[in-house]
Amino acid sequence: GAVVSQHPSWVICKSGTSVKIECRSLDFQATTMFWYRQFPKQSLMLMATSNEGSKATYEQGVEKDKFLINHASLTLSTLTVTSAHPEDSSFYICSRVGTAGEQYFGPGTRLTVT
Amino acid sequence: KQEVTQIPAALSVPEGENLVLNCSFTDSAIYNLQWFRQDPGKGLTSLLLIQSSQREQTSGRLNASLDKSSGRSTLYIAASQPGDSATYLCAATNTNAGKSTFGDGTTLTVKP
Repeated sequence: GAVVSQHPSWVICKSGTSVKIECRSLDFQATTMFWYRQFPKQSLMLMATSNEGSKATYEQGVEKDKFLINHASLTLSTLTVTSAHPEDSSFYICSRVGTAGEQYFGPGTRLTVT
Repeated sequence: KQEVTQIPAALSVPEGENLVLNCSFTDSAIYNLQWFRQDPGKGLTSLLLIQSSQREQTSGRLNASLDKSSGRSTLYIAASQPGDSATYLCAATNTNAGKSTFGDGTTLTVKP
Protein backbone atom coordinates (compact mmCIF):
# COMPACT_ATOMS: atom_id res chain seq x y z
CA GLY A 1 0.00 0.00 0.00
CA ALA A 2 0.89 3.65 -0.19
CA VAL A 3 3.52 4.85 2.22
CA VAL A 4 3.33 8.53 1.31
CA SER A 5 0.09 10.44 0.78
CA GLN A 6 -0.56 13.91 -0.56
CA HIS A 7 -3.53 16.20 -0.26
CA PRO A 8 -5.11 17.57 -2.30
CA SER A 9 -4.56 15.53 -5.43
CA TRP A 10 -5.46 18.52 -7.56
CA VAL A 11 -6.26 22.15 -6.93
CA ILE A 12 -7.26 25.16 -8.99
CA CYS A 13 -6.66 28.60 -7.57
CA LYS A 14 -6.75 32.17 -8.74
CA SER A 15 -3.62 34.17 -9.38
CA GLY A 16 -2.41 35.93 -6.24
CA THR A 17 -3.82 33.44 -3.77
CA SER A 18 -1.90 30.90 -1.68
CA VAL A 19 -2.22 27.15 -1.76
CA LYS A 20 -1.09 24.60 0.82
CA ILE A 21 -0.15 21.04 -0.12
CA GLU A 22 0.23 18.35 2.54
CA CYS A 23 2.58 15.37 2.39
CA ARG A 24 2.26 12.59 4.95
CA SER A 25 4.55 9.68 5.68
CA LEU A 26 2.08 6.94 6.57
CA ASP A 27 4.31 4.21 7.95
CA PHE A 28 7.57 5.82 8.92
CA GLN A 29 8.73 8.74 11.00
CA ALA A 30 10.55 10.84 8.47
CA THR A 31 12.94 13.49 9.72
CA THR A 32 13.60 14.44 6.11
CA MET A 33 11.23 14.67 3.18
CA PHE A 34 11.70 16.08 -0.30
CA TRP A 35 9.61 18.26 -2.57
CA TYR A 36 9.88 17.95 -6.35
CA ARG A 37 8.21 19.83 -9.18
CA GLN A 38 7.42 18.45 -12.62
CA PHE A 39 6.37 20.64 -15.53
CA PRO A 40 4.46 19.05 -18.43
CA LYS A 41 6.56 16.63 -20.45
CA GLN A 42 9.59 17.31 -18.27
CA SER A 43 11.31 15.38 -15.56
CA LEU A 44 11.25 15.93 -11.82
CA MET A 45 13.32 18.73 -10.36
CA LEU A 46 14.15 18.81 -6.68
CA MET A 47 12.87 22.00 -5.08
CA ALA A 48 13.79 21.60 -1.44
CA THR A 49 14.61 19.29 1.42
CA SER A 50 12.17 19.48 4.30
CA ASN A 51 13.77 18.98 7.72
CA GLU A 52 11.70 18.18 10.79
CA GLY A 53 12.07 20.87 13.41
CA SER A 54 14.36 23.11 11.38
CA LYS A 55 14.43 25.20 8.25
CA ALA A 56 14.08 23.66 4.83
CA THR A 57 17.01 23.58 2.45
CA TYR A 58 16.18 25.01 -0.95
CA GLU A 59 17.82 24.18 -4.26
CA GLN A 60 19.41 26.90 -6.30
CA GLY A 61 16.88 29.03 -8.12
CA VAL A 62 13.93 28.12 -5.86
CA GLU A 63 12.45 31.11 -4.04
CA LYS A 64 12.15 30.21 -0.38
CA ASP A 65 9.77 33.08 0.32
CA LYS A 66 7.44 31.88 -2.39
CA PHE A 67 7.52 28.17 -1.57
CA LEU A 68 7.13 27.91 2.18
CA ILE A 69 7.90 24.54 3.68
CA ASN A 70 6.95 23.45 7.17
CA HIS A 71 7.88 20.09 8.68
CA ALA A 72 6.26 20.36 12.08
CA SER A 73 6.01 16.65 12.82
CA LEU A 74 7.76 13.46 11.84
CA THR A 75 4.88 12.46 9.58
CA LEU A 76 3.80 15.72 7.96
CA SER A 77 5.46 18.23 5.68
CA THR A 78 3.57 21.05 3.99
CA LEU A 79 4.39 23.15 0.96
CA THR A 80 2.63 26.50 0.62
CA VAL A 81 2.79 28.27 -2.71
CA THR A 82 2.33 31.92 -1.85
CA SER A 83 0.92 34.52 -4.24
CA ALA A 84 0.60 31.88 -6.93
CA HIS A 85 0.92 32.82 -10.58
CA PRO A 86 0.10 30.84 -13.73
CA GLU A 87 3.77 29.93 -14.17
CA ASP A 88 3.58 28.06 -10.84
CA SER A 89 1.11 25.63 -12.40
CA SER A 90 2.83 22.27 -12.15
CA PHE A 91 2.77 18.80 -10.66
CA TYR A 92 4.20 18.84 -7.13
CA ILE A 93 5.42 15.53 -5.67
CA CYS A 94 6.87 14.78 -2.27
CA SER A 95 8.98 11.83 -1.19
CA ARG A 96 10.68 10.25 1.74
CA VAL A 97 13.63 7.89 1.89
CA GLY A 98 13.46 4.33 3.14
CA THR A 99 16.00 2.43 5.19
CA ALA A 100 17.80 1.19 2.08
CA GLY A 101 18.01 4.65 0.57
CA GLU A 102 15.08 4.06 -1.75
CA GLN A 103 12.69 6.87 -2.56
CA TYR A 104 8.99 6.57 -1.86
CA PHE A 105 6.89 9.13 -3.68
CA GLY A 106 3.47 10.50 -2.97
CA PRO A 107 0.82 10.46 -5.71
CA GLY A 108 1.42 14.13 -6.51
CA THR A 109 -0.66 17.30 -6.50
CA ARG A 110 -1.57 19.02 -9.72
CA LEU A 111 -1.76 22.77 -9.25
CA THR A 112 -3.44 24.98 -11.83
CA VAL A 113 -3.30 28.73 -11.32
CA THR A 114 -5.79 30.71 -13.38
CA LYS B 1 26.82 18.27 -10.17
CA GLN B 2 25.15 15.03 -11.16
CA GLU B 3 23.53 14.90 -14.59
CA VAL B 4 21.34 12.03 -15.76
CA THR B 5 20.50 11.31 -19.38
CA GLN B 6 18.03 8.79 -20.75
CA ILE B 7 18.03 7.43 -24.27
CA PRO B 8 15.85 7.09 -26.23
CA ALA B 9 13.35 9.80 -25.34
CA ALA B 10 10.56 7.76 -26.89
CA LEU B 11 10.20 4.19 -28.03
CA SER B 12 7.39 2.37 -29.80
CA VAL B 13 7.45 -1.41 -30.11
CA PRO B 14 5.01 -4.18 -31.00
CA GLU B 15 3.71 -6.35 -28.21
CA GLY B 16 5.99 -9.23 -27.26
CA GLU B 17 9.29 -7.56 -28.04
CA ASN B 18 12.15 -7.41 -25.58
CA LEU B 19 13.55 -3.92 -25.12
CA VAL B 20 16.27 -1.97 -23.35
CA LEU B 21 16.08 1.51 -21.87
CA ASN B 22 19.31 3.35 -21.17
CA CYS B 23 20.30 5.69 -18.38
CA SER B 24 23.68 7.39 -18.02
CA PHE B 25 25.01 9.53 -15.19
CA THR B 26 28.05 11.78 -14.97
CA ASP B 27 29.08 11.30 -11.33
CA SER B 28 29.87 7.64 -10.70
CA ALA B 29 30.01 8.11 -6.92
CA ILE B 30 26.37 7.18 -6.53
CA TYR B 31 24.73 5.69 -3.47
CA ASN B 32 22.03 3.97 -5.49
CA LEU B 33 20.08 4.12 -8.72
CA GLN B 34 16.35 3.66 -8.93
CA TRP B 35 14.01 3.04 -11.86
CA PHE B 36 10.45 4.34 -11.79
CA ARG B 37 7.37 4.13 -13.92
CA GLN B 38 5.03 7.09 -14.37
CA ASP B 39 1.64 6.88 -16.01
CA PRO B 40 0.18 10.09 -17.50
CA GLY B 41 -0.93 12.51 -14.82
CA LYS B 42 0.10 10.15 -12.04
CA GLY B 43 2.84 9.86 -9.47
CA LEU B 44 5.87 7.60 -9.57
CA THR B 45 5.88 3.86 -9.00
CA SER B 46 9.20 2.34 -7.98
CA LEU B 47 10.27 -0.58 -10.17
CA LEU B 48 13.79 -1.49 -9.11
CA LEU B 49 16.45 -0.16 -6.77
CA ILE B 50 20.12 -0.97 -7.32
CA GLN B 51 22.56 -0.19 -4.54
CA SER B 52 26.04 0.99 -5.50
CA SER B 53 27.51 -2.37 -4.48
CA GLN B 54 25.14 -4.33 -6.72
CA ARG B 55 25.36 -5.10 -10.43
CA GLU B 56 21.74 -5.91 -11.18
CA GLN B 57 18.26 -6.41 -9.80
CA THR B 58 15.35 -8.39 -11.20
CA SER B 59 11.61 -8.24 -10.68
CA GLY B 60 9.40 -10.35 -12.90
CA ARG B 61 9.94 -9.31 -16.51
CA LEU B 62 12.17 -6.43 -15.50
CA ASN B 63 15.93 -6.51 -15.08
CA ALA B 64 18.05 -3.50 -14.24
CA SER B 65 21.82 -3.42 -14.41
CA LEU B 66 24.33 -0.96 -13.05
CA ASP B 67 27.87 -0.24 -14.23
CA LYS B 68 29.25 2.50 -12.03
CA SER B 69 32.59 2.70 -13.76
CA SER B 70 31.00 3.62 -17.06
CA GLY B 71 28.18 5.62 -15.48
CA ARG B 72 25.44 3.53 -17.03
CA SER B 73 22.32 1.63 -16.08
CA THR B 74 19.94 -0.28 -18.29
CA LEU B 75 16.38 -1.45 -17.77
CA TYR B 76 15.51 -4.56 -19.70
CA ILE B 77 11.84 -5.37 -20.25
CA ALA B 78 11.09 -8.85 -21.51
CA ALA B 79 8.04 -9.81 -23.56
CA SER B 80 6.57 -6.31 -23.53
CA GLN B 81 2.82 -5.84 -23.10
CA PRO B 82 0.49 -2.89 -23.87
CA GLY B 83 0.16 -2.37 -20.11
CA ASP B 84 3.85 -1.54 -19.99
CA SER B 85 3.15 1.68 -21.89
CA ALA B 86 4.28 4.53 -19.63
CA THR B 87 7.19 6.87 -19.04
CA TYR B 88 10.19 5.27 -17.37
CA LEU B 89 12.46 7.43 -15.25
CA CYS B 90 15.81 6.66 -13.71
CA ALA B 91 17.11 8.54 -10.69
CA ALA B 92 20.63 8.64 -9.29
CA THR B 93 21.13 9.33 -5.61
CA ASN B 94 24.61 10.35 -4.56
CA THR B 95 24.37 10.08 -0.80
CA ASN B 96 22.21 8.37 1.75
CA ALA B 97 20.64 11.77 2.37
CA GLY B 98 18.19 10.92 -0.37
CA LYS B 99 18.44 13.81 -2.84
CA SER B 100 17.96 12.33 -6.29
CA THR B 101 18.69 13.55 -9.80
CA PHE B 102 16.25 12.38 -12.44
CA GLY B 103 16.65 11.77 -16.13
CA ASP B 104 14.08 13.16 -18.56
CA GLY B 105 12.52 9.75 -19.03
CA THR B 106 11.77 7.37 -21.88
CA THR B 107 8.17 7.24 -23.04
CA LEU B 108 7.35 3.69 -24.06
CA THR B 109 4.42 2.69 -26.23
CA VAL B 110 3.71 -1.01 -26.70
CA LYS B 111 1.32 -1.61 -29.56
CA PRO B 112 -1.09 -4.57 -29.44
